Amino acid sequence: DAKTTQPPSMDCAEGRAANLPCNHSTISGNEYVYWYRQIHSQGPQYIIHGLKNNETNEMASLIITEDRKSSTLILPHATLRDTAVYYCIALNYGGSQGNLIFGKGTKLSVKP
Amino acid sequence: NAGVTQTPKFRVLKTGQSMTLLCAQDMNHEYMYWYRQDPGMGLRLIHYSVGEGTTAKGEVPDGYNVSRLKKQNFLLGLESAAPSQTSVYFCASRRIEGYEQYFGPGTRLTVT
Repeated sequence: DAKTTQPPSMDCAEGRAANLPCNHSTISGNEYVYWYRQIHSQGPQYIIHGLKNNETNEMASLIITEDRKSSTLILPHATLRDTAVYYCIALNYGGSQGNLIFGKGTKLSVKP
Repeated sequence: NAGVTQTPKFRVLKTGQSMTLLCAQDMNHEYMYWYRQDPGMGLRLIHYSVGEGTTAKGEVPDGYNVSRLKKQNFLLGLESAAPSQTSVYFCASRRIEGYEQYFGPGTRLTVT
């Protein structure tokens, strides 16, 4: 599975959009980009995933560049409860049994 | 639905003692996973199971054993606990078709 690179930390003002970048320059054609988050001391929570097209659900939007070398997770109106560590993971369905490889993620702090 | 539950929530062991962590899911998921998370780190996969009666090693399996006698339960055993096994342990499960994993609340284990 491709390695992903994320900034270690980011701040965001409450009510503003939080844009979390992820670099996955070695991603292969059959690897999906998954995003999870972990609120302090809790188990990780699935947010969204995508392959090529942009995706949106009730939690967030995922924008993947045309060359698929990077992506951005967007929380449109961040709240204090969105303060968490966000993990970007490249996942090959076929080769890994769906096993997730977590890096250190981005610690997002939403401030009032 | 309770989702994924873990028992116990906290435990303190002395070096050399044994214990079993229980993970239960009520979503009829085929796949189940055990991860550990050390301070400031991402999760690392210990063992996983692709179905009842099957188990496989993950990234850091040494010192742990697992069993999946029933589809809804996945047990993680420590035969002779060591201080290096002090960590937070998370269980997760997923369906065959979807790759989103659902995590339990974690078990905080301290080995003295």
